[in-house]
Amino acid sequence: AQTIHQWPVAEIKAVGSPLSLGCTIKGKSSPNLYWYWQATGGTLQQLFYSITVGQVESVVQLNLSASRPKDDQFILSTEKLLLSHSGFYLCAWSSDWGQDTQYFGPGTRLLVL
Amino acid sequence: TQTVSQSDAHVTVFEGDSVELRCNYSYGGSIYLSWYIQHHGHGLQFLLKYYSGNPVVQGVNGFEAEFSKSDSSFHLRKASVHWSDSAVYFCAVSATSNTNKVVFGTGTRLQVLP
Repeated sequence: AQTIHQWPVAEIKAVGSPLSLGCTIKGKSSPNLYWYWQATGGTLQQLFYSITVGQVESVVQLNLSASRPKDDQFILSTEKLLLSHSGFYLCAWSSDWGQDTQYFGPGTRLLVL
Repeated sequence: TQTVSQSDAHVTVFEGDSVELRCNYSYGGSIYLSWYIQHHGHGLQFLLKYYSGNPVVQGVNGFEAEFSKSDSSFHLRKASVHWSDSAVYFCAVSATSNTNKVVFGTGTRLQVLP
């Protein structure tokens, strides 16, 4: 069975500090990977997606960047956090064919002060 | 570009009642439509999806949704809700020309009272 893990579970960071959020998928080779941001009580905004190692497509950047260093890993980062980065970050995966269901991780809650 | 709207921010029903959560979309081409559920503080879980064929699709936990091209809708229904159905429900749409770009609605918070 496939499992998706996100780290850290939660973070409290200062404005202007760097950030790195991680996502790992086990039990699935060559998944499509996605990053979403959700404001508190809000909808999901798709940020990035990746269909293969080393390749990332930006949907909405929000002063963030993403990388896929390995087949099973997706990283979201920024060098300088803004207050507006606070929220809930969700990683998801889907199969690499057609339009398959997206399976979401447990999320990382970020508070920027 | 595709858009999706969920007109009801909150819906409150009693346990055992039926419920319909509304979703309308806008896109000129072929699309996929999905519903997801999010319990407080957790990630999303897939409920069901539609691409073609029978416009009524069955999902998990007794949920079903009906696609209507004429109304540009994909409403979610359940005949008898349980308190554990209390959650936020998101409708999502993606174009078949690029299924990796997914647009989510603003969500409907369903509260089921005992």
